[in-house]
Amino acid sequence: GAVVSQHPSRVICKSGTSVKIECRSLDFQATTMFWYRQFPKQSLMLMATSNEGSKATYEQGVEKDKFLINHASLTLSTLTVTSAHPEDSSFYICSARDTATNEKLFFGSGTQLSVL
Amino acid sequence: GENVEQHPSTLSVQEGDSAVIKCTYSDSASNYFPWYKQELGKGPQLIIDIRSNVGEKKDQRIAVTLNKTAKHFSLHITETQPEDSAVYFCAASAASGGSYIPTFGRGTSLIVHP
Repeated sequence: GAVVSQHPSRVICKSGTSVKIECRSLDFQATTMFWYRQFPKQSLMLMATSNEGSKATYEQGVEKDKFLINHASLTLSTLTVTSAHPEDSSFYICSARDTATNEKLFFGSGTQLSVL
Repeated sequence: GENVEQHPSTLSVQEGDSAVIKCTYSDSASNYFPWYKQELGKGPQLIIDIRSNVGEKKDQRIAVTLNKTAKHFSLHITETQPEDSAVYFCAASAASGGSYIPTFGRGTSLIVHP
């Protein structure tokens, strides 16, 4: 099956630093990738839609200058949490849509971010 | 926009029993309905999906049914095993500008007791 690789799986950082999370589709092309945030025992909250070669589309309430998204190739999207604060601590998950079918969505394994 | 309701929020069964999770959606334009299984500390994994031109789909112990008229779809797991314990999410997608943006349910925590 399709594999989406997300790194790192866990990161602990100091308040004020920036953290970059990578999301790669390993065996398929993904024109579109999504970034989600998930709080404990809750559903997936869509943060932004990332399209290869263009600017990301952010959901209402998500600060685009704080959560920088880059989708430079058909297999790689990155999310950078800039000047992280404790309230940014969360589980971040990326997903990639298989361009061939344009509907199947495959998820990465998630990144647990803890900001001290 | 689309609204997906999922029930129950928690489901506890004995090993070997069947489990059923139900979802309803609001947008009649939705035509793709995937189900995901999420284990603790991991990302969701696509386990089965169904398109609106099909009423039922089965894959071994897992089946999904869709009632377009009533706008509801269900996940059925038979002969449950402890390793089926996880959170299950349903989703509904409608083509928007040529692409599918899924709306997720709130999740069902399935606990299978050995």
